[in-house]
Amino acid sequence: ETGVTQSPTHLIKTRGQQVTLRCSSQSGHNTVSWYQQALGQGPQFIFQYYREEENGRGNFPPRFSGLQFPNYSSELNVNALELDDSALYLCASSLDRVGIMNTEAFFGQGTRLTVV
Amino acid sequence: AQSVTQLDSQVPVFEEAPVELRCNYSSSVSVYLFWYVQYPNQGLQLLLKYLSGSTLVKGINGFEAEFNKSQTSFHLRKPSVHISDTAEYFCAVTTNTGNQFYFGTGTSLTVIP
Repeated sequence: ETGVTQSPTHLIKTRGQQVTLRCSSQSGHNTVSWYQQALGQGPQFIFQYYREEENGRGNFPPRFSGLQFPNYSSELNVNALELDDSALYLCASSLDRVGIMNTEAFFGQGTRLTVV
Repeated sequence: AQSVTQLDSQVPVFEEAPVELRCNYSSSVSVYLFWYVQYPNQGLQLLLKYLSGSTLVKGINGFEAEFNKSQTSFHLRKPSVHISDTAEYFCAVTTNTGNQFYFGTGTSLTVIP
């Protein structure tokens, strides 16, 4: 148990639809990162939020957007879903931005999104 | 930017045998290195990390890894594997100014009874 919970665990959507994924961070953690893990691949960085502000973004189009709330929980929104968006979406929370000395990221169990 | 290459996509090994999972990285600056394990239908769990100091790092579940700067490698080892070690293993890198992990494509370890 990492203390990071994601919901829902599984989701099926139709191409063109919109989806919202949720993440509850570990208590006291002010940073959350989202990753996309396609089948058979390693996780790819989508973006990071630090104290409610976006703090870096990977190579993902603007239809991937996010929010971090005052309680540091977070949402990942994806508009105009495409078949290639089918993946496991992982949320990771940390005490500070990943890369700061001794900061460990704790991952949730992920949301499996299937786009049909 | 940084990148990680995991040289073996699948590694089968008999129970109680030793195993080595290979990881090489590329970076123009100093890096921090990590190994994560992913069990089926679960998120990532940290096995061990190298930040600085001793190049031999010990982690959970009897795993260890050695940082080799000249060979830009961070190979994961275990002297005797158990059935419960069957999982996907990911090597990752970040830097002290970075905001993300760069992950390899993973190595699927299968322990054979």
